[in-house]
Amino acid sequence: GENVEQHPSTLSVQEGDSAVIKCTYSDSASNYFPWYKQELGKRPQLIIDIRSNVGEKKDQRIAVTLNKTAKHFSLHITETQPEDSAVYFCAASMDGGATNKLIFGTGTLLAVQP
Amino acid sequence: NAGVMQNPRHLVRRRGQEARLRCSPMKGHSHVYWYRQLPEEGLKFMVYLQKENIIDESGMPKERFSAEFPKEGPSILRIQQVVRGDSAAYFCASSPRQGTWEQYFGPGTRLTVT
Repeated sequence: GENVEQHPSTLSVQEGDSAVIKCTYSDSASNYFPWYKQELGKRPQLIIDIRSNVGEKKDQRIAVTLNKTAKHFSLHITETQPEDSAVYFCAASMDGGATNKLIFGTGTLLAVQP
Repeated sequence: NAGVMQNPRHLVRRRGQEARLRCSPMKGHSHVYWYRQLPEEGLKFMVYLQKENIIDESGMPKERFSAEFPKEGPSILRIQQVVRGDSAAYFCASSPRQGTWEQYFGPGTRLTVT
């Protein structure tokens, strides 16, 4: 079945450093890969996404890369700030399927130390 | 421009009672997804509905759980005869139409079964 693995489960960085979170998906038909940020007790918020016809996408301090051959995609946060501290989830979805349901990774708890 | 609304935000039920969770999608959105998040875990897809239709319920437990999205009114996730293992955060997400990638999440309903 569809599966998304996410690593690491926890990540602690110093303010100003970069953070990288990696995900691997199993369904080669997947072609939409969003990243969500979830602060404690809050809703998941879409922060960036990438589609399979693109290898990299950047939005200010956040970037996502996709390697379809290896079925890997990664989130890169540069110049981290304490407000970046949250749980980050990757997800995968298949266009052309009946549902576009999201298959989520298990999450990465990012702690940015001031 | 109201986002996805869910109510109640917190719900406490005793074992054996029924839980009803409501989701009002964003204005103009006619597609609703329900996801469940167990404590310290990722989100798991449960069901996908359009107005008056269940499109994909492959993530729903076979017993005690049901969902609907009537022509008028919110989508409802119903859990009968709740058990302690049903304690979780239940999020709904909406999208404007089939084939649209982005899903926007509501604030969630935190169900506690005592």
